[in-house]
Amino acid sequence: EVQLVESGGGLVQPGGSLRLSCEASGFTFSNYAMHWVRQAPGKGLEYVSGISTNGGSTYYANSVKGRFTISRDNSKNTLYLQMGSLRTEDMAVYYCARATGDYWGQGTLVTVSS
Amino acid sequence: DIQMTQSPSSLSASVGDRVTITCRASQSIANYLNWYQQKPGKAPKLLISVASSLQSGVPSRFSGSGSGTDFTLTISSLQPEDFATYYCQQSYSTLSYTFGQGTKLEIK
Repeated sequence: EVQLVESGGGLVQPGGSLRLSCEASGFTFSNYAMHWVRQAPGKGLEYVSGISTNGGSTYYANSVKGRFTISRDNSKNTLYLQMGSLRTEDMAVYYCARATGDYWGQGTLVTVSS
Repeated sequence: DIQMTQSPSSLSASVGDRVTITCRASQSIANYLNWYQQKPGKAPKLLISVASSLQSGVPSRFSGSGSGTDFTLTISSLQPEDFATYYCQQSYSTLSYTFGQGTKLEIK
């Protein structure tokens, strides 16, 4: 069974940092590009970042460019999102997903507040 | 970045109605268009990929069409479980798969 399990969310002050993880199982992780997508409370889906199968190519939405870093460890079947200089507008549920769109994690909530 | 525009942003309909949601891309994306359904508190669910390919297990009352810049999602006969928010997403740009703003389908 394919599973994506996010962790690492929580409460952080503005300007702070947080690292999200997404542990994959049930498929060959290294064969799939991966995405992070977020959803602010009551808002729509926002594509945040993507990474190629070997990590050699990455993409960031303008809203997070220069503050967030996506990475992956194929030996650990894990996707990461290092988030820095966090702003109140970064508060959202963060989902990891296979680039094919067919499997998503359950989401992890990031709250940015003083 | 490719911009995706959905219409309408909200829609009221009754069980048994036929509804259509449209999605327009800011440039041609061939048929690289996905449709998702999302219910409150849940992750999005992929309904249709490459504009018209129904995912396994998705009821046949859902269908998608279009190519280039204009796409539609049609639900032929609304069922109670279909009331949700629907999103389109382009998968044309490598690693940059932008979403439409969503269409909330509500019970009339």
